[in-house]
Amino acid sequence: NAGVTQTPKFQVLKTGQSMTLQCAQDMNHNSMYWYRQDPGMGLRLIYYSASEGTTDKGEVPNGYNVSRLNKREFSLRLESAAPSQTSVYFCASSEQGGRAHEQYFGPGTRLTVT
Amino acid sequence: AQSVTQLGSHVSVSEGALVLLRCNYSSSVPPYLFWYVQYPNQGLQLLLKYTTGATLVKGINGFEAEFKKSETSFHLTKPSAHMSDAAEYFCAVTPYGANSKLTFGKGITLSVRP
Repeated sequence: NAGVTQTPKFQVLKTGQSMTLQCAQDMNHNSMYWYRQDPGMGLRLIYYSASEGTTDKGEVPNGYNVSRLNKREFSLRLESAAPSQTSVYFCASSEQGGRAHEQYFGPGTRLTVT
Repeated sequence: AQSVTQLGSHVSVSEGALVLLRCNYSSSVPPYLFWYVQYPNQGLQLLLKYTTGATLVKGINGFEAEFKKSETSFHLTKPSAHMSDAAEYFCAVTPYGANSKLTFGKGITLSVRP
């Protein structure tokens, strides 16, 4: 039982390049999330998916797109990377959105945009 | 809308001393409250959560937190700090009864001096 896995662990992009961050969970959770973590800012929600087939914007969605490929997988795409998107990205999942169900986090992807 | 305030960004204690990390929340409806811990270069791990019922909640690694509705607080404590407690700690809130997302505080870094 691997929990939440993310690939890649590290990535360096040049401004304007695109990439997709992959996330998968094996806990049969309905809800999945993408966050970014910046120093002194805590975690900010980019997008979330309450259930398979649905996605919704979070606090900081600009410059990102997501795809809930199936119940297990939730990817985050940067179409044209900018230095402001340099951050650590975390994927999380939970049985059901928010409520009393804690979110389980992946190990993160450290992205640098030059 | 809900929010979380974690005053200060850094707390330093001596090994064996009391750990107290403060969290105040704002929520228009009764909240669910969480504390997460993040060790260096890792994802977030749930320490404890308050849903309903007993207001004193015990978590992993000897941590506990008390929900005080009148003070809108959910402070995290541990009677005796250990070197392995050095990490970043995040308080988070989600409203009760709604399929909602977690709102995180900005986090507090705990250092433990030998």
